[in-house]
Amino acid sequence: DAGITQSPRHKVTETGTPVTLRCHQTENHRYMYWYRQDPGHGLRLIHYSYGVKDTDKGEVSDGYSVSRSKTEDFLLTLESATSSQTSVYFCAQGTGDGELFFGEGSRLTVL
Amino acid sequence: GNSVTQMEGPVTLSEEAFLTINCTYTATGYPSLFWYVQYPGEGLQLLLKATKADDKGSNKGFEATYRKETTSFHLEKGSVQVSDSAVYFCALSRRDSNYQLIWGAGTKLIIKP
Repeated sequence: DAGITQSPRHKVTETGTPVTLRCHQTENHRYMYWYRQDPGHGLRLIHYSYGVKDTDKGEVSDGYSVSRSKTEDFLLTLESATSSQTSVYFCAQGTGDGELFFGEGSRLTVL
Repeated sequence: GNSVTQMEGPVTLSEEAFLTINCTYTATGYPSLFWYVQYPGEGLQLLLKATKADDKGSNKGFEATYRKETTSFHLEKGSVQVSDSAVYFCALSRRDSNYQLIWGAGTKLIIKP
């Protein structure tokens, strides 16, 4: 058990509403990541963090923002959700050498 | 640029069959190589890794050898079980890209009793 939890696990929302997904780790790992997983696209990196208040964009960052005010929490925000953001979102924590520990995923449906 | 190519799935085998899932990569330098597994309804978890040429990673009966000459990291298991049914992802990371993982598309494995 890598000690990483995501919330909510399931969410249905409407187009145009803001959504925040939370990732919480208990392992004190420096690196945290948000991915989305879609059929035919595999895993795509949205944003990542390499320390408190240190974040950077991944390959599909448009429409998403993140914040990391504490080591243990990494928030992903969709300011105005769109149907194209319907996906399964995975948070991961890492040691910085490529070895990642994933949460169980958050399934988001935007109607 | 860096990339990872996996064999397309699904791969369907009978229980106790021999498994190979091919993975080849393109990268400069000396990347680290990984296999992750995703069971239905779960997040990914690290299955095995290798950090330098000729290293063999192994776990749960699975093995993969880092072959620099063929830029490959094929996953093998001698006798698969129904419980091995999952999606398998090959990935690489490089120190000079801040260890960001480059992912393959994933290969779905179905094991029939």
